[in-house]
Amino acid sequence: AQSVTQLDSQVPVFEEAPVELRCNYSSSVSVYLFWYVQYPNQGLQLLLKYLSGSTLVKGINGFEAEFNKSQTSFHLRKPSVHISDTAEYFCAVDGGSQGNLIFGKGTKLSVKP
Amino acid sequence: DSGVTQTPKHLITATGQRVTLRCSPRSGDLSVYWYQQSLDQGLQFLIQYYNGEERAKGNILERFSAQQFPDLHSELNLSSLELGDSALYFCASSATFGAATPYGYTFGSGTRLTVV
Repeated sequence: AQSVTQLDSQVPVFEEAPVELRCNYSSSVSVYLFWYVQYPNQGLQLLLKYLSGSTLVKGINGFEAEFNKSQTSFHLRKPSVHISDTAEYFCAVDGGSQGNLIFGKGTKLSVKP
Repeated sequence: DSGVTQTPKHLITATGQRVTLRCSPRSGDLSVYWYQQSLDQGLQFLIQYYNGEERAKGNILERFSAQQFPDLHSELNLSSLELGDSALYFCASSATFGAATPYGYTFGSGTRLTVV
């Protein structure tokens, strides 16, 4: 069965610093991977997704993620964060034949001035 | 506005009661998914419907049930409520079966249920 592990529950970072949010997955089949962002009191918004092709995926708000099959990872990166990036970020894997997304526990990114 | 509408936004009810949460999917989407988000469990998949039929079940309690109507809106019914059922309940929709579509899932803004 597929599973997702987000290694850091909280990541504090200063404004304009780079950030990496880590995600590892477990799957025995081809994977489709996603990152979602949840701002306070809002629903989840799709940041980016990997379905196939180039392993470097660019998303909205300057975020990108790299799919690494050998490391079973899909880490999210941004070279320079803003205060407005403060939110919770969720990595997810497509549940395959079940047709549902399996989410990690989330990483709270806190950007300080 | 994501296009997925959930009502009500907030709900406060007593233990033992029954509530119904409603979700209207994005126009053209046939699949509806229900998730429960709590501090200790994170985002847990409850159930999925595709074009009116149940397609997948996750960690959904027997006290909970759902359905998708011919107009594709969905309702999640929670009964015999307990304090531990307090959580954010999200609905998401997608165009096809599965999340690997051009838009992935589109989430609503959720219903915050508080059981007192």
